[in-house]
Parts: sequence; structure tokens; C-alpha cells
Amino acid sequence: RKEVEQDPGPFNVPEGATVAFNCTYSNSASQSFFWYRQDCRKEPKLLMSVYSSGNEDGRFTAQLNRASQYISLLIRDSKLSDSATYLCVVTQDTGRRALTFGSGTRLQVQP
Amino acid sequence: GAGVSQSPSNKVTEKGKDVELRCDPISGHTALYWYRQSLGQGLEFLIYFQGNSAPDKSGLPSDRFSAERTGGSVSTLTIQRTQQEDSAVYLCASSLSAGHSSGYTFGSGTRLTVV
Repeated sequence: RKEVEQDPGPFNVPEGATVAFNCTYSNSASQSFFWYRQDCRKEPKLLMSVYSSGNEDGRFTAQLNRASQYISLLIRDSKLSDSATYLCVVTQDTGRRALTFGSGTRLQVQP
Repeated sequence: GAGVSQSPSNKVTEKGKDVELRCDPISGHTALYWYRQSLGQGLEFLIYFQGNSAPDKSGLPSDRFSAERTGGSVSTLTIQRTQQEDSAVYLCASSLSAGHSSGYTFGSGTRLTVV
């Protein structure tokens, strides 16, 4: 089983739609959680950190469920510019190989 | 600079030659990672540096790969006797510390092509 698993997609949604991605992780000692976005042939960029209480940044909402070991990302009112690959990132603060990426979920927002 | 700087941005090399890739992390960031990404694939962990601790080299695919980080700042990734399967984008990321809530900042990568 992979340490971090994501549905690769693609998710094809119309503009204005709400879309949600999930990510599961296998290591219960995981400490920090992030969502990154990666545009085609570009480096990953931090979208948002994920906190236990859940957090929101504009149209984006991230949730963490430690008991079930998954995190989610909800995008409301999708824009064409949201088209990208969304990477789930999990870390352990033990100092050993602390940053683990999921393979990403591809989102295509269509006009 | 304000971001993570990587050089060169593109490198074409002949099979069998050695290459050296450079990463300048954000000033003050103690954690530094090297990843590589082949076309259409996910990020593959290579090596991780945290402060003055011994690096975690568990992701290096073979002994042709090595990396060092001098003075806790600049890092170089060296690939000896390059092979065609080494062709990928090599990404460097840095963070204030491992797992820091501010996340990890990536450089724009070095696109390596072995011909």
C-alpha cells in the first residue's frame, strides 16, 4: 500500500461546479498535511496547509480526519484557472524522509 | 533571493557524462529536499537534509547519485555516468524545518535530458 494515495482522475467539471478530492495516508504518526497544486510542466506550489479543525481559504476548504486517516480538498465555484494537478502531502516530524507526496489528482475545469 | 533557486534550468548531456545540479534554498530554511519527476509521473523522493543532521539518502536510486549541502545552505546533486533513464525534472524544495506549517517552497527545477 502506498503511503499516500489519491485518485488520479481526471476530474472533468464545468465552470462553477463544486468538486472534492480525497487523499488517504497510511502512517498514523503523520504530523503535517498540505495540499499543493502543480500546473503542467511547472513546480508544485503550496495551496494550503490542512489543520485538524479544518480551514478555508476563499473557495477552497481543507479537512483532516485523523481517525480515518484522510484529508480532503473542496473547491467551490470552479474556475478555468483551477485546472491543475492537486497533490496531497503528508509529513512526519521525525526527521526521516519527512515529506511524502501523493501522485496527484488531475482537475480539468471546462467552459 | 526570495525563492528557491535552481540551476541550470535545462541541461542536455550525453550518456555517460557526469552532471551537477545546484539548489539555493530560501535563506534560513534548514530543511532541503531533492525530488525528481519524470514526464507525467509523481514526485520521487531522492534525498533530504535537515540542519546539521546526517542526510536521509534512502531515495537515491543508485550509487551514481550523490548530494551534499555545504554550510547548511547550497546543495548540489551529482549524477555520475548519466543514463537515459535519468532524464527527468529534478526539483529542490526547502522549508523552515521539516513539517513546518508554512509548507515547502519548490524551485522551478532542472530539466535534465540524457541523449
